[in-house]
Formats: sequence, C-alpha cells, structure tokens
Amino acid sequence: AQSVTQPDIHITVSEGASLELRCNYSYGATPYLFWYVQSPGQGLQLLLKYFSGDTLVQGIKGFEAEFKRSQSSFNLRKPSVHWSDAAEYFCAVVPLGFNKFYFGSGTKLNVKP
Amino acid sequence: NAGVTQTPKFQVLKTGQSMTLQCAQDMNHNSMYWYRQDPGMGLRLIYYSASEGTTDKGEVPNGYNVSRLNKREFSLRLESAAPSQTSVYFCASSAPSGGSTDTQYFGPGTRLTVL
Repeated sequence: AQSVTQPDIHITVSEGASLELRCNYSYGATPYLFWYVQSPGQGLQLLLKYFSGDTLVQGIKGFEAEFKRSQSSFNLRKPSVHWSDAAEYFCAVVPLGFNKFYFGSGTKLNVKP
Repeated sequence: NAGVTQTPKFQVLKTGQSMTLQCAQDMNHNSMYWYRQDPGMGLRLIYYSASEGTTDKGEVPNGYNVSRLNKREFSLRLESAAPSQTSVYFCASSAPSGGSTDTQYFGPGTRLTVL
C-alpha cells in the first residue's frame, strides 16, 4: 500500500544538539517531497521541498533534508536545535500522476533547555 | 496580504446540528483544499477544488459538502454533525498554476467539537 511513514511520534533533544527526523515513503516512482512545521495552535508552514536535482535541499530556519532514493527516505536535519524549534513536523508527498498531498502522521519535537 | 483565513477559530456543536466553515485566500490561487487533522493521523484530505467551479472528493469526504463560491472562497459544510467529526479543520491553497506539486499554504485552523 502507498504510504508516508514518520516512525518517531515524539522526539526530545537538548538545545544546541543536532536533530534528524525520519520520513519514508512507499510509492512506485519518486514523488514530490515536502516538510512542514506546525507550531501549537497554528497552521502548517512549509520548511522545504524536493522536486528533482540536488538531493540535499536547504530550507528555512536552518533546516535541510536529504533525499535518498535507495532508501525511499527524505529525512529532515538541523545541526543545532533552538528552543523555538519545538513543534510538530510533517512529511508530505505528492505521488507522480496524482493530484493530492499525502501527509505522514507527524513527529512532535520537544527541546530541553 | 492576509494569506489564508478561516472562520470560526473554535466551534462546539451538538450531534445533528449543521454548520459551515469558511475559508478565504487573497493570493490569487486557483486550487483550494480542506483537511482534517486528528491525533496520530496527520492531515487527511476531505475535498479539494482545482479551480473555480470544480470540486473533487479526497480521502474522507463522507459527511461533508463543499462550495467553491468564487476564486477566493471555499466553504466546508457539515449537514448533520457527528461526534466522529470532532477534529481540527485546515483550509489550504496552492499557487496560481494550480498544480498539485505547488506549495500549499495553510490557514490557522478551526477546532470543532461535536457533543
């Protein structure tokens, strides 16, 4: 079945530590890939997106993501987390030939002082 | 430029009541979407409108209807609310070309409780 998987429901990191959030997808061809962030009580904001080309994508707020075709993954990373990064993060895909976004179930990030 | 706006922000309904959630965007986007967000399930597409005058079902359309009133506005109606429709509802819109690969811009959400 086609799906988007974010295996970590909750992650806690210390401020200043590095971060990696995982996203895997299972679609026949490489879909279009997105990461969104949702702060409490807010809508979703786009962090970055991958359509084609360079597999390392830079986004806003110091985030980056790497597309790995062999692993069907699009993991989000940040070298040094700030307390303001505490939020919920969603991976989303648009399969080729489809007309809709499919979202993962989200990863909640807590940041310890 | 307000982006995507939604009203109301909060709503409590009794089972069987009806209501309409309003959404408007001022970015001249062709495509608009309604999602619901439930804990542990991410966002699921209810309905979308690729362009003014067209609407299509998403993953979870049962119990909902939509109206694309004009290019700016896309409303979601619950004719007879059920407790299973307790959720946070998000409206989104995408860029002028209307393609599915375009970035979606989200409103702040409507938190609906059905008792």
